[in-house]
Amino acid sequence: ETGVTQTPRHLVMGMTNKKSLKCEQHLGHNAMYWYKQSAKKPLELMFVYNFKEQTENNSVPSRFSPECPNSSHLFLHLHTLQPEDSALYLCASSQDQGGAGELFFGEGSRLTVL
Amino acid sequence: GQNIDQPTEMTATEGAIVQINCTYQTSGFNGLFWYQQHAGEAPTFLSYNVLDGLEEKGRFSSFLSRSKGYSYLLLKELQMKDSASYLCAVRDGDYKLSFGAGTTVTVRA
Repeated sequence: ETGVTQTPRHLVMGMTNKKSLKCEQHLGHNAMYWYKQSAKKPLELMFVYNFKEQTENNSVPSRFSPECPNSSHLFLHLHTLQPEDSALYLCASSQDQGGAGELFFGEGSRLTVL
Repeated sequence: GQNIDQPTEMTATEGAIVQINCTYQTSGFNGLFWYQQHAGEAPTFLSYNVLDGLEEKGRFSSFLSRSKGYSYLLLKELQMKDSASYLCAVRDGDYKLSFGAGTTVTVRA
């Protein structure tokens, strides 16, 4: 138990569907992150939120839309995805963005786009 | 962008020692992390180095040489549960964190 919870753990969707991934952290952290993990590739940073404000968008296509209503919750809204978007999506949190502290990861949401 | 290299796979025998190397080229440096990730689970923090030298935590040790852009993670007295992917991550001068592709370690009986 890392203190970061992601739902759903598995998701299968068609290219025309709309779905959302949810992340919740119980650590009192101020920064939250979305990463994409594909097989044999480095983790790719997608978005960063610090104190509920988006501070980084790493050139992510607009079919991925993040939302951070408060410091404890982070969503990733998905629509009209492509098969190449199939991957493990990891949420993480840290005390603050840019600090020396480590990231705490959730177990990820395994997404399959048909 | 940042460049972080680590071997793709390593295999070792239970009870043995394995050393996972990580080399990096970044714009500035503000620390290097090692994470462990079991299949289907969250990456979990193992170690952090910001100064040169060796940091020891039980069976796991991590070494850093900033001048060489080099780190290693040393796993001693290997156990079957150590079979996992090990991720090297470097924080650059702007405090951006970049990950290597990970090293899958398989421990055999």
